[in-house]
Parts: sequence; C-alpha cells; structure tokens
Amino acid sequence: NAGVTQTPKFQVLKTGQSMTLQCAQDMNHNSMYWYRQDPGMGLRLIYYSASEGTTDKGEVPNGYNVSRLNKREFSLRLESAAPSQTSVYFCASSDFAGTEETQYFGPGTRLLVL
Amino acid sequence: GDSVTQMEGPVTLSEEAFLTINCTYTATGYPSLFWYVQYPGEGLQLLLKATKADDKGSNKGFEATYRKETTSFHLEKGSVQVSDSAVYFCALITGANNLFFGTGTRLTVIP
Repeated sequence: NAGVTQTPKFQVLKTGQSMTLQCAQDMNHNSMYWYRQDPGMGLRLIYYSASEGTTDKGEVPNGYNVSRLNKREFSLRLESAAPSQTSVYFCASSDFAGTEETQYFGPGTRLLVL
Repeated sequence: GDSVTQMEGPVTLSEEAFLTINCTYTATGYPSLFWYVQYPGEGLQLLLKATKADDKGSNKGFEATYRKETTSFHLEKGSVQVSDSAVYFCALITGANNLFFGTGTRLTVIP
C-alpha cells in the first residue's frame, strides 16, 4: 500500500497563478483532509471531506477550493495564488470519524508563491 | 474553544537523556489525545494515543498519560536516540473531523 500520496512535491507560483494539488489514498478511507503547516502555527485545517460527495470548510478556507473526485482522491485548488499561501500542504485520510480517529498523512507539498 | 498548548522548542538533548515534552489542552466534552511525529521531509505519523482519562499511550519507548485533573498529556521517553530527532505534535479530537494540533516541538538529539 502506498498510503496517502501527494503531487507535486514542490511548486513555485507567481502571484495570481492557479494550481491544483492532488491527493490520493489507497486505504479505502471515508474521510480526507487538507492542512497547511506554517512555522510556529502547527497544522491548520483548510477543508475536509467526511465522505465521497461531501466537503466542508475548516479553520482557514479562504482562497481555496476542493473537490472530492471519488473515494480515493481529494484535490485542493488555488484559483489565484497569493504570497500568504506560501506554505507546506498536507493531505490526510482517516477510517473513522469520531473521537478515536487516527489520521494518516501524505508527505506534503511545499508551495512557494512569489 | 478547543485548543492544545505544547512547550516551545527547540529542545536539544544528548543521546540517552530523558525527554519530556509538555502538552496541556482545553476542550469541551471528552477528547481523545494524540502525539504525532514528523521526521525530516516527511508527513506526520501517529506516535501514540489515549482515548480516555488515565489511559497511557505508548510506542517505540515513548509514553504519555491522559490526565484529566491537570488537562495534560505530556510525552516522555527514558533514553532518547539520534533517530528520535523530529518535530512532535500534540493533538486532540472532540468529535468527527475536529482534530486540533499544537504548534509542534522540534527535538534534536546529539550523539
């Protein structure tokens, strides 16, 4: 099993450009998540999808959109990138939505917006 | 609201030293508590967890006990190794899809 995979690993964008970060999991998990990690701030939830066909906003959704393409894939789109979106983005998935939930993380995408 | 506060780093220790990383939490209800570890260049992975008061989570020589009276979940290891160098995140969950992370503590272990 590959677990959670993310592409690309690294990306440089100019302000105003758009891009889509891809995430896929092969663990048959229902829930998937997108986080951003910034120095001194831990991980902050951008969007999540509790099941195929549903998405919900997290703590910091502004400037992002998501698509739960199917049970395996959950993409994050930046329509018009801004320097404030420079960050490391992590996708995660989990097999149980409740208080015993364990999330499994991908290796991350490092994004630099100039 | 729900939150996690963990000790700021970085923490630098010599090999075989004792490690404590403090974590306290604020939560409504009855959260489950987690420690995640992030090795250089990788995503986070679960280190250990505890789902109710007085539970002790343990893995790879690390331990943490869920203390409801002090709202704490401190991470400990009796003898650290160079391979333990990583960033450690305390986290809590109070309901579906509601995972809150601390800011992370970077640990460096020197030979």
